[in-house]
Amino acid sequence: EVQLVESGGDLVQPGGSLRLSCAASGFTFSTYNMHWVRQAPGKGPERVSYISSSSVTIYYADSVKGRFTISRDNVKNSLYLQMNSLRVEDTAVYYCARASMSSSAYFDYWGRGALVTVSS
Amino acid sequence: DIVLTQSPDSLAVSLGERATINCKSSQSVLYNSDNKNYLGWYQQKAGQPPKLLIYWASTRESGVPDRFSGSGSGTDFTLTISSLQAEDVAVYYCQQYYNSPPTWTFGQGTKVEIK
Repeated sequence: EVQLVESGGDLVQPGGSLRLSCAASGFTFSTYNMHWVRQAPGKGPERVSYISSSSVTIYYADSVKGRFTISRDNVKNSLYLQMNSLRVEDTAVYYCARASMSSSAYFDYWGRGALVTVSS
Repeated sequence: DIVLTQSPDSLAVSLGERATINCKSSQSVLYNSDNKNYLGWYQQKAGQPPKLLIYWASTRESGVPDRFSGSGSGTDFTLTISSLQAEDVAVYYCQQYYNSPPTWTFGQGTKVEIK
C-alpha cells in the first residue's frame, strides 16, 4: 500500500524557517517524481514545488521561489521541503504528493498533510 | 497564467440524481503534440487530502466508480456524477498542467451536498 507521511509542521513566526519531511513507503520511491502541494484554509490546492526522480529537474511556484528548497533522499525514501523567510500567507496544510506514472501532470497519491502556521 | 473557473461554487443534489460540475480554462489545455487534454479532476472529502478521479479529461483512475465521468476538450470540461451517493459528498477540483513554463493550477472548487 502506498503511504506518504508528512512531518515537521509547526507554528512559526514571520521570517522564520521550517523543514518538512515526507516518508514514502509501499512503492519504489526512486522511480517517481514528487511534489509538494499546499492548501490554505478554505482554499483550493496550490502546487508549491516539483522534483524529478533523480533530482535533476526542480520547479517552484513563483510565490515561493528563492525562499523554499525541495530535495529528496532516494536511499531514505524521503522528500523534504526547506522553507525560509516564511510569511503569513504561507500558512497552509502542506501535502507530499506523488506524480502519476501516467504523467507528472497529475498527483495520484497524497499524504495526510502537515499544518504550517505562520503567525506572530 | 492559466486560470481555471469552476461552476457552480456549490450544488445540492438528491440521492440517485445527476450532478454536473463545469470547469473553464482561460486557455486551451489540449496539446497538439499528443492530442491530449491536460485536465484532471479530484475529490476532497472533509479532513482528507484530495483524491485523483479523472485524468486526460476523461480517463478514470483505477478503482474510481464508473458513475464518475469526465468530458470536454480545449477550454471547457465537465465532471458528471451519474447517480449521486451519500459518500460522494465532497469538494471537487479541476486541475490543469501547462508545460511552458511547467505550471500546475487548480480551480477554486465545487462543493457537492445532498438535497
